[in-house]
Amino acid sequence: RKEVEQDPGPFNVPEGATVAFNCTYSNSASQSFFWYRQDCRKEPKLLMSVYSSGNEDGRFTAQLNRASQYISLLIRDSKLSDSATYLCVVKFLSGTYKYIFGTGTRLKVLA
Amino acid sequence: DGGITQSPKYLFRKEGQNVTLSCEQNLNHDAMYWYRQDPGQGLRLIYYSQIVNDFQKGDIAEGYSVSREKKESFPLTVTSAQKNPTAFYLCASSIGQGVDGETQYFGPGTRLLVL
Repeated sequence: RKEVEQDPGPFNVPEGATVAFNCTYSNSASQSFFWYRQDCRKEPKLLMSVYSSGNEDGRFTAQLNRASQYISLLIRDSKLSDSATYLCVVKFLSGTYKYIFGTGTRLKVLA
Repeated sequence: DGGITQSPKYLFRKEGQNVTLSCEQNLNHDAMYWYRQDPGQGLRLIYYSQIVNDFQKGDIAEGYSVSREKKESFPLTVTSAQKNPTAFYLCASSIGQGVDGETQYFGPGTRLLVL
């Protein structure tokens, strides 16, 4: 089983739709969680950290479920500019801190 | 503007040649990282450095070398021993490795192609 797993997609959704992605992780000692956005042929950029209580930033909401070992990202009112690949990142301590990246979920928002 | 810069944007390597990728940051971050990204795969850690003059191997260090002589700079050398170097190379930095300094920020990347 991969340490971090994501559905690769693509998720094709119309503008204005609500879309949700999940990311599962295998290491129960994982401490920190992040969502990054990566545009084609560009570097990943931090979208948001994921806190135990859940957090929201405008149209984006992130949730953490430690019992089931997954994090989620909800995007409301999708815009064309949201089209990108969304990377899930999990950090845990194994001697030193390690960041494990998922392969990403591709989102296409259609006009 | 504070940030991370990588150069060159594209790099071509001939068989048997060593090439060096540059990474510079002016964020005053202690920790720096090198990742490799291949199509359909997540980022994989090559090397990381928590402090000047110290660095550690990541998951796929074979065929690569690094140095950390200055806080701002963390160059990566792809040696001739790396048999499949074609990839997108990403440099990142974070304030530190502790919980408070955990967010990683990425440079724009270097695409390495083998001729």
